[in-house]
Amino acid sequence: SQTIHQWPATLVQPVGSPLSLECTVEGTSNPNLYWYRQAAGRGLQLLFYSVGIGQISSEVPQNLSASRPQDRQFILSSKKLLLSDSGFYLCAWRGQDEAFFGQGTRLTVV
Amino acid sequence: AQSVTQLGSHVSVSEGALVLLRCNYSSSVPPYLFWYVQYPNQGLQLLLKYTSAATLVKGINGFEAEFKKSETSFHLTKPSAHMSDAAEYFCAVSDESGYSTLTFGKGTMLLVSP
Repeated sequence: SQTIHQWPATLVQPVGSPLSLECTVEGTSNPNLYWYRQAAGRGLQLLFYSVGIGQISSEVPQNLSASRPQDRQFILSSKKLLLSDSGFYLCAWRGQDEAFFGQGTRLTVV
Repeated sequence: AQSVTQLGSHVSVSEGALVLLRCNYSSSVPPYLFWYVQYPNQGLQLLLKYTSAATLVKGINGFEAEFKKSETSFHLTKPSAHMSDAAEYFCAVSDESGYSTLTFGKGTMLLVSP
């Protein structure tokens, strides 16, 4: 069966520091992968999606970037975090009929 | 473009009462529709999905939803609320091509009182 791993679960980072969140998928090949951010009262905002290695689409301009160095690995990064980057970040992969989500990373920028 | 509107950011019910969470969608193509549940600081878990088969869809934990094309709605119901149902619920839409991006509503927090 397919599983999705996301880490770390929680992260506290100072403003201006770099960020790297990692997501890996098992049990499937060539998955469509997604990064969402969840802020209170705003639902899930799609940040990036990828249909293959090295293929990244950005949905909103922001301080973040994404990379897909391997088929089942998806990384969310920032060179310098802002306070507004705080939130709950979710990685997901899309199967034919539904999307599967990781457990999320709670990022607090201080 | 697709969009989802969830009416009510918070819904409060008593244990044993009917749960009704509303979702309306906008889509220019036949949609796939989903309801997900999220417990605090966890990922999203699929409750049920509509993928152009039966319009009344049954999911896990006693939840069901009915796809009404004329009303562009996909409301989530459960006959009798349980304390463990307290969570945030998200409605989502995608096109029917499969593998495509899901667009989510802003979520509805369900509060269940004893």
